[in-house]
Amino acid sequence: SQQGEEDPQALSIQEGENATMNCSYKTSINNLQWYRQNSGRGLVHLILIRSNEREKHSGRLRVTLDTSKKSSSLLITASRAADTASYFCATGNDYKLSFGAGTTVTVRA
Amino acid sequence: DGGITQSPKYLFRKEGQNVTLSCEQNLNHDAMYWYRQDPGQGLRLIYYSQIVNDFQKGDIAEGYSVSREKKESFPLTVTSAQKNPTAFYLCASRTGKNSPLHFGNGTRLTVT
Repeated sequence: SQQGEEDPQALSIQEGENATMNCSYKTSINNLQWYRQNSGRGLVHLILIRSNEREKHSGRLRVTLDTSKKSSSLLITASRAADTASYFCATGNDYKLSFGAGTTVTVRA
Repeated sequence: DGGITQSPKYLFRKEGQNVTLSCEQNLNHDAMYWYRQDPGQGLRLIYYSQIVNDFQKGDIAEGYSVSREKKESFPLTVTSAQKNPTAFYLCASRTGKNSPLHFGNGTRLTVT
């Protein structure tokens, strides 16, 4: 079963704008991870946020986690054409890690 | 360079044939994973292995088999029992249960 579900399914923005996507999950977690996938390639890990953290930054990325609402958001600031990709959240306890269906982001020049 | 190698990149098979997808890592990771991705969809977990000589079924294990005889290798066999095997298959590994996954670049399997 896919525990994480991203929203929206697709997002189209102008270069320089911010992009925000959300992830909701169903059961308790130790951490939540965000990944990026360029077309036809493997996934690349972006950021991991632990269940006792509320916000985390990495470069132009900002991730928040609200365990009471079982949700997380990923914000990409000042988007670039190279940010065009699909973004997935992943959750799980123990060794099993499940992914959502992803948000496809298109950054227009 | 350390990483995960999946081979081949593209694989074509006739219906009714078993096929084995290769996954090798030189990251010294204990845990390895196989996921399946269908067009426009997320990843679904097929099998995972926490340690050598041990593996567990994921969410869609039917029609697939794996082995973990060496730490570096986690091959996936797609058997003729898998009803819809055409998909993009991704292998991943990580050091432990709370660490990020490192992915290979995938094998695109087409069965006709």
